[in-house]
Amino acid sequence: KNQVEQSPQSLIILEGKNCTLQCNYTVSPFSNLRWYKQDTGRGPVSLTIMTFSENTKSNGRYTATLDADTKQSSLHITASQLSDSASYICVVSVLSGANNLFFGTGTRLTVIP
Amino acid sequence: DARVTQTPRHKVTEMGQEVTMRCQPILGHNTVFWYRQTMMQGLELLAYFRNRAPLDDSGMPKDRFSAEMPDATLATLKIQPSEPRDSAVYFCASGLDLNEQFFGPGTRLTVL
Repeated sequence: KNQVEQSPQSLIILEGKNCTLQCNYTVSPFSNLRWYKQDTGRGPVSLTIMTFSENTKSNGRYTATLDADTKQSSLHITASQLSDSASYICVVSVLSGANNLFFGTGTRLTVIP
Repeated sequence: DARVTQTPRHKVTEMGQEVTMRCQPILGHNTVFWYRQTMMQGLELLAYFRNRAPLDDSGMPKDRFSAEMPDATLATLKIQPSEPRDSAVYFCASGLDLNEQFFGPGTRLTVL
C-alpha cells in the first residue's frame, strides 16, 4: 500500500532554533517529492520539489533532503522565525496511475518567542 | 499577481442542501485539482482535470459529488445532498500538468 508518513505530528520550538521534520514513504514507482507549507486558514504553498536524482534542495532557510534508497526525506528549518509556524505537508508522486499523488498528514510546527 | 481564487470562502448549510463551490484557476494553467482537507484525514485528492477533461475522480463519492469545468476559467464542485460528514475545507489548485500546483485559499464548508 502506498503511504506517506510524517513525524513528528506536532512540534514546538523557540524562535531562532533549528528543527527537522521527517517524511517516510512507501510509494512506488517514485517520481518526485514535494514539501508544502500551509499557514492556518490558507492553502498549501510549495517549498521544494525533488526528483529521484536530487539529494538536497534549499529554499532560503528551508533545506529538504531526499534518500531515495531508504525512501526518506527531511525538511530542515534553520534559525526559525515566528512566521514559520504552520503545517508542513510532504507529498509524493508516483510515475503512473490515475491517482498519483500521496499526501502525508503533516507536521504542525509552532515557533514561540 | 496571478493566483487561484475560490468562492465562497465560507459556507454554512443544512444537511440535505445543495452546495456549489467555485474555482478560478490561474490563467494558462491546464490542470485543475479539487482537494478536501480535514483534521483527521489531512489532504485528500477528490478529482482533477487536464485541459478541462476529467482525468480522475476516484477520490470523490460519486453518489453526491460532481465536478465540472464549464470553461477554462471556471471549475465547480457540487455536493447534493450535503451531509454533516462533508464538513471540511475544500481546496482548488491549478498547475501545468502535475509538476506544480498552486492552491487557492479554500472554501470552509460546515454542514449542520
